[in-house]
Amino acid sequence: NAGVTQTPKFQVLKTGQSMTLQCAQDMNHEYMSWYRQDPGMGLRLIHYSVGAGITDQGEVPNGYNVSRSTTEDFPLRLLSAAPSQTSVYFCASRSSDTQYFGPGTRLTVL
Amino acid sequence: LAKTTQPISMDSYEGQEVNITCSHNNIATNDYITWYQQFPSQGPRFIIQGYKTKVTNEVASLFIPADRKSSTLSLPRVSLSDTAVYYCLVGGALVGFKTIFGAGTRLFVKA
Repeated sequence: NAGVTQTPKFQVLKTGQSMTLQCAQDMNHEYMSWYRQDPGMGLRLIHYSVGAGITDQGEVPNGYNVSRSTTEDFPLRLLSAAPSQTSVYFCASRSSDTQYFGPGTRLTVL
Repeated sequence: LAKTTQPISMDSYEGQEVNITCSHNNIATNDYITWYQQFPSQGPRFIIQGYKTKVTNEVASLFIPADRKSSTLSLPRVSLSDTAVYYCLVGGALVGFKTIFGAGTRLFVKA
């Protein structure tokens, strides 16, 4: 049981490039979400999903897309990277009362 | 969504009990209170959750007064490894979805 896994661990992009952050969970959780965390700040919710085929926006969705074709996977796409998207990205899945977070992806946009 | 207020930072020494209080004046009737711990370069980790009175597990205790407008996370006999950021979250039974993470409380445990 690997829990929540994220790839890559680190990524450097140039402004305007696109990429997909991968997230997978093997706990059969329906609910998954993406957060970003800027230095010294708390986590901000980007997008979330309550099940395969269902996604919704969080607090800071602009510049990001998500899809949920399977229960296990919840990728986050950056359409055209901007320096303001430099952050650490955490994926999480949850059971009825507990969220389980992945190890994070540290993204730098130059 | 209920807003929470926590101290920005706290210092303690090894072996002491640490109490971190969170204010949530506009908590709703069906809201639960959940605390997470985050170490540097890691995702947050669930510590404890409660609705009223007192909850205890192997890691911490959570005290919630009758009016539920605040809660206190109690960490008994902290060690250096308890140095982390602690977040108080308030939300429905499915807390964590569209719940706002504040800046948290940075606890620094000294030898």
